[in-house]
Amino acid sequence: QKEVEQNSGPLSVPEGAIASLNCTYSDRGSQSFFWYRQYSGKSPELIMSIYSNGDKEDGRFTAQLNKASQYVSLLIRDSQPSDSATYLCAVNGGRGGNQFYFGTGTSLTVIP
Amino acid sequence: DGGITQSPKYLFRKEGQNVTLSCEQNLNHDAMYWYRQDPGQGLRLIYYSQIVNDFQKGDIAEGYSVSREKKESFPLTVTSAQKNPTAFYLCASSMAGQGLWQPQHFGDGTRLSIL
Repeated sequence: QKEVEQNSGPLSVPEGAIASLNCTYSDRGSQSFFWYRQYSGKSPELIMSIYSNGDKEDGRFTAQLNKASQYVSLLIRDSQPSDSATYLCAVNGGRGGNQFYFGTGTSLTVIP
Repeated sequence: DGGITQSPKYLFRKEGQNVTLSCEQNLNHDAMYWYRQDPGQGLRLIYYSQIVNDFQKGDIAEGYSVSREKKESFPLTVTSAQKNPTAFYLCASSMAGQGLWQPQHFGDGTRLSIL
């Protein structure tokens, strides 16, 4: 079982719609959760960090964490063509919690 | 501006040659990491370091070596033992936390290819 699993997609949504991206993780000891956006050929850039159960909102982005279900999601409201990218879920883990495990990413395309 | 600088942006390796990828950060972060990214495989951890003069192997350390002589610098050497080095290499850093870890910040990456 992989430490972090994401649906690879591709996920296509029309402009203005809500995009929903999901991620599950296997290490119950994980305490820190992150969403990154990666444009083709570029390095990942941080979108959101979340540490507590519930929702965290930042602009058009909302991260949701459910530690009991070992599930973290990212909602993108009012999706824009510029949101088209691969979204990576990352979770801390390993002995001491000092490793970061990344999912393989979900490819999102926002159709104008 | 604080950030992570990776160089070179593109690198070509001849068979049997060792090459070194540079990573420098001025964020005063304690922890530094090297990842390899292949198409469709996400990021795989090569090595990481939490303090100067100490580093740990990640999931795919074979054929790679690192050093951490300064807090700001964490160079990666791809040795001739790494038979399939073609990939996108990413360096990252983060501030260690007490239980909670701060996010990693990434450099722009180095693309390594075999000649």
